[in-house]
Amino acid sequence: ETGVTQSPTHLIKTRGQQVTLRCSSQSGHNTVSWYQQALGQGPQFIFQYYREEENGRGNFPPRFSGLQFPNYSSELNVNALELDDSALYLCASSGILAKNIQYFGAGTRLSVL
Amino acid sequence: SQQGEEDPQALSIQEGENATMNCSYKTSINNLQWYRQNSGRGLVHLILIRSNEREKHSGRLRVTLDTSKKSSSLLITASRAADTASYFCATESSNYKLTFGKGTLLTVNP
Repeated sequence: ETGVTQSPTHLIKTRGQQVTLRCSSQSGHNTVSWYQQALGQGPQFIFQYYREEENGRGNFPPRFSGLQFPNYSSELNVNALELDDSALYLCASSGILAKNIQYFGAGTRLSVL
Repeated sequence: SQQGEEDPQALSIQEGENATMNCSYKTSINNLQWYRQNSGRGLVHLILIRSNEREKHSGRLRVTLDTSKKSSSLLITASRAADTASYFCATESSNYKLTFGKGTLLTVNP
């Protein structure tokens, strides 16, 4: 157990809808990163938040947005869902002492129909 | 885009045998990490090797890094059925952002 929890575990949406995924970081971790993992692929970096500010973004369109809260929990929002957004979304947190090592949650599996 | 590419894509061995997976990457890195993923669940960090290190050990794991060839290998010795999982290399180049490869699916048969 990494101490990183994600909700919900599974979600089904239809094309065009909006979705919010949630992540609770491991205690003491002030950095959270979000990844998208398509079936049979490695995780792809979406963005990272550090102390409530975006601290780097991957090659994802603006309809992917995020928030980090003062308690370091985080949200990933995706607007105007497309079929290709179907994937496992992973949240990872890292702490002050070992910023290089990321601790992953179990993920949210999103299906867009 | 994927930075690292693991080889082979799939590997099937018997319990007790050693498993070797390779990773190649394209750009300069701060460090390279290996993660394990069981059945589409979250990833678990296994080991980190810095760009100025050549070899690192952790339990049954041995990682090598050759920055001149932009490649790394992960060796799992005396494999167990519980080692069955997908293994990913991930490179870190800036801002603690990880770039993952497509992974190697390891199956250890009892």
